[in-house]
Amino acid sequence: AQSVAQPEDQVNVAEGNPLTVKCTYSVSGNPYLFWYVQYPNRGLQFLLKYITGDNLVKGSYGFEAEFNKSQTSFHLKKPSALVSDSALYFCAVRDMGDYKLSFGAGTTVTVRA
Amino acid sequence: DTAVSQTPKYLVTQMGNDKSIKCEQNLGHDTMYWYKQDSKKFLKIMFSYNNKELIINETVPNRFSPKSPDKAHLNLHINSLELGDSAVYFCASSPLQGANEKLFFGSGTQLSVL
Repeated sequence: AQSVAQPEDQVNVAEGNPLTVKCTYSVSGNPYLFWYVQYPNRGLQFLLKYITGDNLVKGSYGFEAEFNKSQTSFHLKKPSALVSDSALYFCAVRDMGDYKLSFGAGTTVTVRA
Repeated sequence: DTAVSQTPKYLVTQMGNDKSIKCEQNLGHDTMYWYKQDSKKFLKIMFSYNNKELIINETVPNRFSPKSPDKAHLNLHINSLELGDSAVYFCASSPLQGANEKLFFGSGTQLSVL
């Protein structure tokens, strides 16, 4: 079985400050990890993914995420947040060989000017 | 051109009615999905088709019936609608059915059952 947890419902940061959105996962095999972002009244958009290789993954809009196998985490980060980063962020995981992509409950990010 | 398009965007209907949501992707992808997002924004997969073949069928009531006439289309028909069916339904596609594939989502269909 696979699952993903996003421990924070909401994250609030000031513009220009670093942004971190936390994610931990559970899989029986090797994980494929993803981050998606959802703006109001829109579908989800892909940000980045970890498949294998370098633990630090860079994605769209200046976001990056670090895969930590020992802590089973895949936290999303951005060094300097923008107001336009305010959205709902989803972490997702697939176990290798599984077709299903399981999503976390989402974290609402609010960046204040 | 919209990559993954769903119609209608909004659907308001009475309990007991039958309704359909259509989805089309022009990306040439082999795999398509239906996800349900509830009022708390939780996303759950319902179905997945790969090249018109059903590969994922979660524990969804059999009132929900997906149909894939070709690999570019995946429609969702819902019979005898219930209040609990109210949600946003997202169609998505991916190039292949592999575990490392990213998904491309439509903009969603907001279903309200009265």
